[in-house]
Amino acid sequence: QKEVEQNSGPLSVPEGAIASLNCTYSDRVSQSFFWYRQYSGKSPELIMSIYSNGDKEDGRFTAQLNKASQYVSLLIRDSQPSDSATYLCAVGRVSSGSARQLTFGSGTQLTVLP
Amino acid sequence: DTEVTQTPKHLVMGMTNKKSLKCEQHMGHRAMYWYKQKAKKPPELMFVYSYEKLSINESVPSRFSPECPNSSLLNLHLHALQPEDSALYLCASSQKPRRDADTQYFGPGTRLTVL
Repeated sequence: QKEVEQNSGPLSVPEGAIASLNCTYSDRVSQSFFWYRQYSGKSPELIMSIYSNGDKEDGRFTAQLNKASQYVSLLIRDSQPSDSATYLCAVGRVSSGSARQLTFGSGTQLTVLP
Repeated sequence: DTEVTQTPKHLVMGMTNKKSLKCEQHMGHRAMYWYKQKAKKPPELMFVYSYEKLSINESVPSRFSPECPNSSLLNLHLHALQPEDSALYLCASSQKPRRDADTQYFGPGTRLTVL
């Protein structure tokens, strides 16, 4: 079982719709969760971070975390063609010497159709 | 300001060359990271520096040699690379390495091609 799993997609939604991206993780003691957006040929850009169960909203983006189910999701409301990108789910974990590191999912490619 | 800068943007090198990638941040972050990303794959962690000390080396071949001269600067020295090392090399930094809620911010990356 992969440590962080995402639906690889591709996921296509019409402009104005809600895009729903899902991620599950295997390490129960994980405490920090991140969504990054990556345009083709560019570096990952932080969209949202979430640490507590429940919802966290920032503009058109809502992250949802359920630690009991080991599940984190990202909703994008009123999707725009500019949201077309790969979305990476990342989970923070403790590594050797107490350094934290991120484990990334394989990414979900989202296309928003005009 | 959450800017991490990387130079050069693009690098083409032969298998016998020696080159270096540079990463800089002036946010007072005390952890810095090197990642390698191949096309259509997620970033793979290579090295972590925590308070200027190497704390994680993810079994990276010795032809990659990291260096952290000070808290703002991170280098990756390259020597005798192979064509399969061609990738996007990403640098990231985070504020406090031992905090759970430590967010990593990525630089724009260096696109490396090994001929």
